[in-house]
Amino acid sequence: SQTIHQWPATLVQPVGSPLSLECTVEGTSNPNLYWYRQAAGRGLQLLFYSVGIGQISSEVPQNLSASRPQDRQFILSSKKLLLSDSGFYLCAWSLLQGLLSGANVLTFGAGSRLTVL
Amino acid sequence: AQSVTQLDSQVPVFEEAPVELRCNYSSSVSVYLFWYVQYPNQGLQLLLKYLSGSTLVKGINGFEAEFNKSQTSFHLRKPSVHISDTAEYFCAPAQLGNEKLTFGTGTRLTIIP
Repeated sequence: SQTIHQWPATLVQPVGSPLSLECTVEGTSNPNLYWYRQAAGRGLQLLFYSVGIGQISSEVPQNLSASRPQDRQFILSSKKLLLSDSGFYLCAWSLLQGLLSGANVLTFGAGSRLTVL
Repeated sequence: AQSVTQLDSQVPVFEEAPVELRCNYSSSVSVYLFWYVQYPNQGLQLLLKYLSGSTLVKGINGFEAEFNKSQTSFHLRKPSVHISDTAEYFCAPAQLGNEKLTFGTGTRLTIIP
């Protein structure tokens, strides 16, 4: 069965410090991978998605970047955190071309809560 | 571009009462529709999905949703809620060929004992 892991679960960082959140998926190949951010009262915002190694699409301009060094690894990074980067970050995966088979269900990790002070 | 509106940000309901969480989407093309649930401090779980066929879709935990194409709605319902249903609920439409889901702003369901 497929599993998705996100870490760290919680993180408190000072403004201006770097960030690295990691997400890995097991039990599947060539997944679509996604990073979402959930800020208080603002729902889920898609930040990045990837359909393959090294292929990253950015949805909104921001202080963050994403990388996919391996097929099942997705990393969210920042060189210098801002106060506005605080939030709950969710990694998710789905089957490649899942919508064509009606199976494009997003499966989410447990999330990483980032507090920037 | 796909957009979705969840009209109620918070819905308080007494235990064992029925509930309806509203969702409207905008699209002129075929869509797939999903409801996700997020329990406190957890990731999201799929509650149910509409891909095609019967417009009444049944999901986990006794929830169901009805796809109404003419009203572009996909409201979520449960005839009798339980304390354990306290969570945030997200509606998400997707389009064929588009690998991204657009989530609504969520509805926080609070069950009153």
